[in-house]
Amino acid sequence: TAGITQAPTSQILAAGRSMTLRCTQDMRHNAMYWYRQDLGLGLRLIHYSNTAGTTGKGEVPDGYSVSRANTDDFPLTLASAVPSQTSVYFCASSDSDSGRRFFGPGTRLTVL
Amino acid sequence: GQNIDQPTEMTATEGAIVQINCTYQTSGFNGLFWYQQHAGEAPTFLSYNVLDGLEEKGRFSSFLSRSKGYSYLLLKELQMKDSASYLCAVIGSNYQLIWGAGTKLIIKP
Repeated sequence: TAGITQAPTSQILAAGRSMTLRCTQDMRHNAMYWYRQDLGLGLRLIHYSNTAGTTGKGEVPDGYSVSRANTDDFPLTLASAVPSQTSVYFCASSDSDSGRRFFGPGTRLTVL
Repeated sequence: GQNIDQPTEMTATEGAIVQINCTYQTSGFNGLFWYQQHAGEAPTFLSYNVLDGLEEKGRFSSFLSRSKGYSYLLLKELQMKDSASYLCAVIGSNYQLIWGAGTKLIIKP
């Protein structure tokens, strides 16, 4: 079982460019999440989806958008990247609101 | 506001015992997680507490006191592979996880 996959593993992006981070899960979990992790800070929620067709904003949603067309995929799009979006991005899923989060391997993004 | 506090870094000796503390102030409580994260890797689940008391799982145990807003993770018989960051996270009233910044544990031979 693959669990959660993310692509790309890492990326260097010029400021102002757009990019989509991909996330796919094969556990049939209803809920999916995007977090960013920065040194010295806890994981911060960007966007989430409780079920296919619905999305919600987390604590740091500005500059990011998501879609949830089906259960398995939850892409994160940066419309116009800025250097402050340099971070490690983790996609996660869970089978319920209070369920443990299963994490993908992460995408390391550098915006120059 | 909502806040989770953990020590930034701890050092312990191989074979010893270490306790990593986590205190929280959140609007609502629906459970507390501990995750382990090795450098450059994703967090992986260690434990879940929703009721007061101690949950033991092999070399790792986790304790919760809801009245004190306090939890700890106890690691026994430390091994070099336990060198990692340990993340405390609380499920708040809206069922989103609130994460601490993590405690980096350094194990010395």
